[in-house]
Amino acid sequence: EDQVTQSPEALRLQEGESSSLNCSYTVSGLRGLFWYRQDPGKGPEFLFTLYSAGEEKEKERLKATLTKKESFLHITAPKPEDSATYLCAVQARGGGSNYKLTFGKGTLLTVNP
Amino acid sequence: SQTIHQWPATLVQPVGSPLSLECTVEGTSNPNLYWYRQAAGRGLQLLFYSVGIGQISSEVPQNLSASRPQDRQFILSSKKLLLSDSGFYLCAWSNRGTDTQYFGPGTRLTVL
Repeated sequence: EDQVTQSPEALRLQEGESSSLNCSYTVSGLRGLFWYRQDPGKGPEFLFTLYSAGEEKEKERLKATLTKKESFLHITAPKPEDSATYLCAVQARGGGSNYKLTFGKGTLLTVNP
Repeated sequence: SQTIHQWPATLVQPVGSPLSLECTVEGTSNPNLYWYRQAAGRGLQLLFYSVGIGQISSEVPQNLSASRPQDRQFILSSKKLLLSDSGFYLCAWSNRGTDTQYFGPGTRLTVL
C-alpha cells in the first residue's frame, strides 16, 4: 500500500526565516510526486510535479526536490502570505492505480510578520 | 483557461437524508474527473474517478455513488447519509495523458 508521511505537522516561522518541509513516501514504482498548497476552506492549489530522483523545480520562494525516498519543499525568506497547509501526494505506476493520488496529512505553515 | 465549479459550497444535512453534489469543468474536453474527501485529521482520500461518460471506478466501498451524465459533469450522491459522511468534498480534473490533477473549491458537508 502506498504511504506518504509529512513532517513536521505544523511549522511556525518568522518572516524571512528559511526552512524545509519533508515528505517521505513508499510506493510500488513512482510515477510522480506532487506538491499542493491549501488555504483554509479552499481546494488544493497545484504547485509542482516531480518525476525522478534528482529533479528540482522552483516557483518564487519555493523549491521542491526529490530523492528515491523523500521530497523536500524548501521555503526561502518566507512571507506571511506563504502561510497555508502544504500537501504532498504520490502517484504509482501502472494498472488501476494509474490515476490515484495518495496524500499525506499535510504541514501547516504559519509565517509571522 | 480551464475552470472547475462545485456546488453547493456548504451543506448541512440530517442523518438519513439524500445527497447530491455537483461538479462541472469548463475549458477542456474529455477530462478525467475525480471525487475526494478530506476528513479532519486525515489526508485527502480518493472516492471515485471517471475516464468518460458513464464510466465510474470506485476506490472505497461506502454508501456513496458517483455518476457522469455529461462529459464535463460529475455528480456525487447518497441515498441515506451517515454521520461519518461529514467532511470536505473535493472534485478534481486532469487532462487525458497527463498526471496533474486540479482541484475545485470544495463542498463542506456536515451531517447532524
